[in-house]
Amino acid sequence: AQTVTQSQPEMSVQEAETVTLSCTYDTSESNYYLFWYKQPPSRQMILVIRQEAYKQQNATENRFSVNFQKAAKSFSLKISDSQLGDTAMYFCAFMKHMSNFGNEKLTFGTGTRLTIIP
Amino acid sequence: KAGVTQTPRYLIKTRGQQVTLSCSPISGHRSVSWYQQTPGQGLQFLFEYFSETQRNKGNFPGRFSGRQFSNSRSEMNVSTLELGDSALYLCASSLARDRGNGYTFGSGTRLTVV
Repeated sequence: AQTVTQSQPEMSVQEAETVTLSCTYDTSESNYYLFWYKQPPSRQMILVIRQEAYKQQNATENRFSVNFQKAAKSFSLKISDSQLGDTAMYFCAFMKHMSNFGNEKLTFGTGTRLTIIP
Repeated sequence: KAGVTQTPRYLIKTRGQQVTLSCSPISGHRSVSWYQQTPGQGLQFLFEYFSETQRNKGNFPGRFSGRQFSNSRSEMNVSTLELGDSALYLCASSLARDRGNGYTFGSGTRLTVV
């Protein structure tokens, strides 16, 4: 079974600063996907960024980027130029890759509550 | 295009009752998954449906069930409600062949059992 660990329950940072959220995972799978989801007070889980394990290049999406260290099983999220709208719960998630339907599901970490201070 | 729609947004039920939650996926998405979110247990996978068939199931008791209709809309049902079933229930949809691109979630149904 896979496990995802987010060791920072809460973080806060000043607006416009850079913040890094940590995530580690444990799996015996070699092919999988990793995701960061954001959950604002509206409750909707919003996909922030995704990474395919077989790709060595770190994913980036505008102000969001990841540091994917496959050997260390680490997947951190960096938010640059943080904005007030980034205030939310952030969840790291793992899903193993299967070519056909099988035991696929998202396994989530416990989340990091990020507050951007004006 | 419209997102994932979950109804109702809020629900209060009495212990022992049953409840049905609804989820309409994004048009064209045929895979629908359900997750339970609680402060104590976090986000846990309930089940996934594709083509009206349950493809995957999480570790929940048989009181939790679901189904999917031919238009891909899905419902989940919880019978004999317990206080511990109070949670945010999230539905997510995806293109079945493209789940590696991530799921799109709805805003959830907040269920309170009293």
